[in-house]
Amino acid sequence: EPEVTQTPSHQVTQMGQEVILRCVPISNHLYFYWYRQILGQKVEFLVSFYNNEISEKSEIFDDQFSVERPDGSNFTLKIRSTKLEDSAMYFCATSRGEEKLFFGSGTQLSVL
Amino acid sequence: GENVEQHPSTLSVQEGDSAVIKCTYSDSASNYFPWYKQELGKGPQLIIDIRSNVGEKKDQRIAVTLNKTAKHFSLHITETQPEDSAVYFCAAMETSYDKVIFGPGTSLSVIP
Repeated sequence: EPEVTQTPSHQVTQMGQEVILRCVPISNHLYFYWYRQILGQKVEFLVSFYNNEISEKSEIFDDQFSVERPDGSNFTLKIRSTKLEDSAMYFCATSRGEEKLFFGSGTQLSVL
Repeated sequence: GENVEQHPSTLSVQEGDSAVIKCTYSDSASNYFPWYKQELGKGPQLIIDIRSNVGEKKDQRIAVTLNKTAKHFSLHITETQPEDSAVYFCAAMETSYDKVIFGPGTSLSVIP
C-alpha cells in the first residue's frame, strides 16, 4: 500500500539553527500539507501546498517557515531559526485532490 | 475559521462494550468530516469519513453519524477490542481542500 514517507524520524537541533524536514508524497498525489503536534496536544494545521504554491497557511506558519517542492518529488518544510517552542512532531500529509488525507509517520523535532 | 470541539477527552470501556465520541464544528461551509486513529508514535490514520450529504455511514464495527443542522457528528465503535485503544481525532474540511481542522482528540482505552 502506498504511503507518505518522512525523514528524518528524529531531529535534534540547537536553538537558532535551521532545519529541513522532508516528505515523499504518494506518487499521484497533488495536494500537500504540513501539520504539527506538540506533545499531548491536538494536530495543528500549518500549511497547504498545491500547484507549486501555498494555498493556505495558519498563524503558526510565520516568516521563519517555508515550504517547497524542489525536485518534483520531495516536499520540504524549512524552519530558518528554530525556537524552543518549535519542538513538536511534524506530520506531512498528501491527497490526490479528493478529501482523503494520508499522513506520514512524522518527524520528532527537538530544539535544545 | 473552523473550530472543532470533541468530547470526552478520555474514555475507558470494557472490552466488548461500545464507545461513542462526539464532536461539534463551527463553520457551516465544512462538508467533509474524517475520523483519524493515532497509535503511539505513529501518524494519524483515516478510519472512516462522511460527507455532508449523508447522515450516517458504517464500516464493520465503526459508524459515524452527522447532524448538519446541529453541526454535530459522532463516532460509534461497537464490540470494542484492546487494539482499538488509541487517540481518536475528529476533523472537518471545507470544499477547497485547503485544510483539515482537527479536534483535540479522545484517548480511548479498552480494558480486557
